[in-house]
Amino acid sequence: DVKVTQSSRYLVKRTGEKVFLECVQDMDHENMFWYRQDPGLGLRLIYFSYDVKMKEKGDIPEGYSVSREKKERFSLILESASTNQTSMYLCASSLTGGFYEQYFGPGTRLTVT
Amino acid sequence: QKEVEQNSGPLSVPEGAIASLNCTYSDRGSQSFFWYRQYSGKSPELIMFIYSNGDKEDGRFTAQLNKASQYVSLLIRDSQPSDSATYLCAVRGSSNTGKLIFGQGTTLQVKP
Repeated sequence: DVKVTQSSRYLVKRTGEKVFLECVQDMDHENMFWYRQDPGLGLRLIYFSYDVKMKEKGDIPEGYSVSREKKERFSLILESASTNQTSMYLCASSLTGGFYEQYFGPGTRLTVT
Repeated sequence: QKEVEQNSGPLSVPEGAIASLNCTYSDRGSQSFFWYRQYSGKSPELIMFIYSNGDKEDGRFTAQLNKASQYVSLLIRDSQPSDSATYLCAVRGSSNTGKLIFGQGTTLQVKP
């Protein structure tokens, strides 16, 4: 079974703090993704990575950065958290190719106060 | 125009009925199509995928794809209250990056 894990289920941070969200997958997937999900806005792609040290911006990269030093681990970094980054953050991974689905982690509910 | 469109609902059906969820997409070169189910507070989980025109059945679920009309649907037969969730349509476009474009999801309510 594919397993995608995220470092925290719930996180509360203060405005201006640097926040790290970590994601680990155990199926040797090339691709990893970070999304945020907000009511009425659906899933929005923040960044994705198709190989170690490779990354591409998604639809809403502003205020975020990512790091992928090892194939199994993909980190999302909020350099200076703001209240409008309060959201559910979902990590996913997949193999490369037209017919492979994305597997999601359990999500991190981040609240910035 | 959004790349992947779904009616947000809620779609309400009685227990035992057929629920029909629809999705349209704009990229004519799209390769494959996925249906995810998401319970409140949980992450999306894959129900079915389809990449050829026609129907694909898996238990009570049937995915239908019509590439000429750029339309994909999910039918749930004998709907159960446990099917109440948000259903996300996702489309892999003509690139091969692994990216999926998600619709906003349709909320399904199955009433006992």
